[in-house]
Amino acid sequence: EVQLVESGGGLVQPGGSLRLSCAASGFTFSSYWMHWVRQAPGKGLVWVSRINSDGSSTSYADSVKGRFTISRDNAKNTLYLQMNSLRAEDTAVYYCARGGTGYRNWGQGTLVTVSS
Amino acid sequence: EIVLTQSPGTLSLSPGERATLSCRASQSVSSSYLAWYQQKPGQAPRLLIYGASSRATGIPDRFSGSGSGTDFTLTISRLEPEDFAVYYCQQYGSSQETFGQGTKVEIK
Repeated sequence: EVQLVESGGGLVQPGGSLRLSCAASGFTFSSYWMHWVRQAPGKGLVWVSRINSDGSSTSYADSVKGRFTISRDNAKNTLYLQMNSLRAEDTAVYYCARGGTGYRNWGQGTLVTVSS
Repeated sequence: EIVLTQSPGTLSLSPGERATLSCRASQSVSSSYLAWYQQKPGQAPRLLIYGASSRATGIPDRFSGSGSGTDFTLTISRLEPEDFAVYYCQQYGSSQETFGQGTKVEIK
């Protein structure tokens, strides 16, 4: 069974940093592109970032470019999102998702709250 | 960035009725890279349709997708009680992937 489990969310002050993790199991992690998607409270889905299977290529939404960094450790079957210079508008549930033809598998999400 | 605009924002229907949801792109999307998701409160999204018209594993055949270029449609042939939810389209063919803002299908 495919499982994606996010962790690392929490309360952080504006300007602060946080690193999210997504532990993957039940599939060959190193064969798949991976993604981060976020959802602010009561709002819609917003794509954040993606990384290819070997980590050599990444892409970001304009709203996070230069502040967020996606990475992966295929030996540990883990995806990361380093978030710096956080703003109030980054407050959201952050989901990791397995790529392919659509996002077939999603984690349960981890809540990031940016507030003083 | 490709902007996806979904309409209507809210669809009020009764069980057994047909639902037609629209997704319009600001520029052409390869049909191979258009997906639809269903999301219920407190849950992660669920993939329904990929490649504009292919049903994901385990998705009932009352769900169907169609369209090409800039205009795509998700049709639910006969609404079941469990189908009342929010639906999102997504394009995943460009370097910056994007979602539509969602259509809420609510019970009339």
